[in-house]
Amino acid sequence: LAKTTQPISMDSYEGQEVNITCSHNNIATNDYITWYQQFPSQGPRFIIQGYKTKVTNEVASLFIPADRKSSTLSLPRVSLSDTAVYYCLVGDPLSGAGSYQLTFGKGTKLSVIP
Amino acid sequence: NAGVTQTPKFQVLKTGQSMTLQCAQDMNHNSMYWYRQDPGMGLRLIYYSASEGTTDKGEVPNGYNVSRLNKREFSLRLESAAPSQTSVYFCASRKIDRQNIQYFGAGTRLSVL
Repeated sequence: LAKTTQPISMDSYEGQEVNITCSHNNIATNDYITWYQQFPSQGPRFIIQGYKTKVTNEVASLFIPADRKSSTLSLPRVSLSDTAVYYCLVGDPLSGAGSYQLTFGKGTKLSVIP
Repeated sequence: NAGVTQTPKFQVLKTGQSMTLQCAQDMNHNSMYWYRQDPGMGLRLIYYSASEGTTDKGEVPNGYNVSRLNKREFSLRLESAAPSQTSVYFCASRKIDRQNIQYFGAGTRLSVL
């Protein structure tokens, strides 16, 4: 499984755009990049997944450069409710046809300030 | 939709006691997982089950056993609880497809005194 590196924490003011970058230098050809969000006292929740270039959904955007050695989760105009821990995971979801394991690191703790 | 349901939500045990954490999913997923999360840490995989009838060890299996009772249910048992097992336990399930989405339960907060 590819190792990922994220900042431990970030602070942002309400209304700003937040970009969280994840490094994954040894990403494999079949690996996808997936981001999860975890609020205090809750289980993680899927936010977005991508393979290359840009992916956008109603919650966030994911930017992946051509070499795929890093990715950036972008949260537009954050609010206090976006305060959470964000995890970047890299792996092939079809590897082992069910034996796939997700490795959650410590994630990035985002604090949104009023 | 209930999704992934874990019981109990909270539990306090004395050292040496045993208990079983229950997990059930109603999404017809093949794979199920048990994680633990210690304060300020990420999730660590304890055991997983790729499909009904199969289980495999994860990163931190010592002190735990699991049972994949059927496709819906995956239980985690602590035979002799230790203070080091004080943690929040999360169960998750996943459909085997290109979408890498695990669905998590609300967690069980366990304290071992």
